[in-house]
Amino acid sequence: QEQLQQWGAGLLKPSETLSLTCAVYGGSFTDYYWSWIRQPPGKGLEWIGEINHVGITNYSPSLKTRVTISVDTSKNQFSLKLSSVTAADTAVYYCARLALYIRGYDILTPTWGQGTMVTVSS
Amino acid sequence: QAVLTQPSSLSASPGASASLTCTLRSDISPRSYYIYWYQQKPGSPPQYLLRYKSDSDKQQGSGVPSRFSGATDASANAGVLLISGLQSEDEADYYCMIWHSSAWVFGGGTKLTVL
Repeated sequence: QEQLQQWGAGLLKPSETLSLTCAVYGGSFTDYYWSWIRQPPGKGLEWIGEINHVGITNYSPSLKTRVTISVDTSKNQFSLKLSSVTAADTAVYYCARLALYIRGYDILTPTWGQGTMVTVSS
Repeated sequence: QAVLTQPSSLSASPGASASLTCTLRSDISPRSYYIYWYQQKPGSPPQYLLRYKSDSDKQQGSGVPSRFSGATDASANAGVLLISGLQSEDEADYYCMIWHSSAWVFGGGTKLTVL
């Protein structure tokens, strides 16, 4: 089972671009889709989008105009950029492999990063 | 209508059983989806509990006690997370999730209180 480690700026001003990166250690980076999810304080989970190792993406319809997810397979990393942030984008941001995969007798269950708190404030 | 709807809160007593529902929008059936269930405690990322489609197609998370199980309530068009023998440590937020129309969709979450 892989481990995900994420990092990025935690304090932004309105209109700036949020930028986070997630590194995947262990397991197979190229076999799966990798997601970003966020959770505003005291609220529920919201999926932002996902990417695979060749750069195929799926985005949440509600965020797709501001989101770019990219991948660097040489480093087993994927990144999130969210443009024109406002206070409403204040949240804990998680990277994760959300899907469960069955490979023969092995079951690879979903795995999440530790989360990064991002605050947008002037 | 939201794709997935969960009651915002549920209370139950220690030792009792709890049934957490995840109601699918009326045009989609739980029989057609893998429904994932997560448990989240304050300050921590969600922890995978199980995935359920049917009794013959379900996957428990590693280390997740067997008192956590999945089910379908066809009459309610819902997936269900069943927790038996409730313990104080089960107090947490619980989320359901499906893959629908090329997107992952989360329910709004249920806060389970054990008292």
